[in-house]
Amino acid sequence: DQQVKQNSPSLSVQEGRISILNCDYTNSMFDYFLWYKKYPAEGPTFLISISSIKDKNEDGRFTVFLNKSAKHLSLHIVPSQPGDSAVYFCAQKSGGSNYKLTFGKGTLLTVNP
Amino acid sequence: NAGVMQNPRHLVRRRGQEARLRCSPMKGHSHVYWYRQLPEEGLKFMVYLQKENIIDESGMPKERFSAEFPKEGPSILRIQQVVRGDSAAYFCASSPSQGTDLNYGYTFGSGTRLTVV
Repeated sequence: DQQVKQNSPSLSVQEGRISILNCDYTNSMFDYFLWYKKYPAEGPTFLISISSIKDKNEDGRFTVFLNKSAKHLSLHIVPSQPGDSAVYFCAQKSGGSNYKLTFGKGTLLTVNP
Repeated sequence: NAGVMQNPRHLVRRRGQEARLRCSPMKGHSHVYWYRQLPEEGLKFMVYLQKENIIDESGMPKERFSAEFPKEGPSILRIQQVVRGDSAAYFCASSPSQGTDLNYGYTFGSGTRLTVV
């Protein structure tokens, strides 16, 4: 029973175009979502977050949109760069715990030069 | 300022052997979290420890798995009598206080990739 779903295992985009990574969730009782980026043979690194009281958060080329009615969030990367090629995980910090994160399965993004 | 250090990076064990995974948190961090990533899966919480205390081990398999974080030295995740299904990447994260922060998230180590043959 997946509480956080990333339904696209992979995504391929051209350099300079927009990458949109999606995440759906079932648990409405959450504090915030975090996005992590992971390169092969490395640990996940924190990228950007969004609070449950916001519907958008922007940091440079990265923007997170949160649609609570649809229980959906997305990470937009624009313009995409080859160095963005990695696995992206969304993770939910629920209200029930201040330390447990629930991760999706991840989406492998490939940005082609 | 070194990050979270995990060793070994790769570990191969035969079925029935023991595996010991080590995690040294970032300097000044006294809270350690272990996550496991099975093939084709996301990371799943296993255990949360503070120095000399297990705070939450609700994600640990009931048997063969144990964790400790002694007063001195790294945190250890120990898997006894490993089976093929234990093959996974094990990640450790640390934080200076309990939990993550909206603006921060955990700092993860590079992980230990356990292969059971």
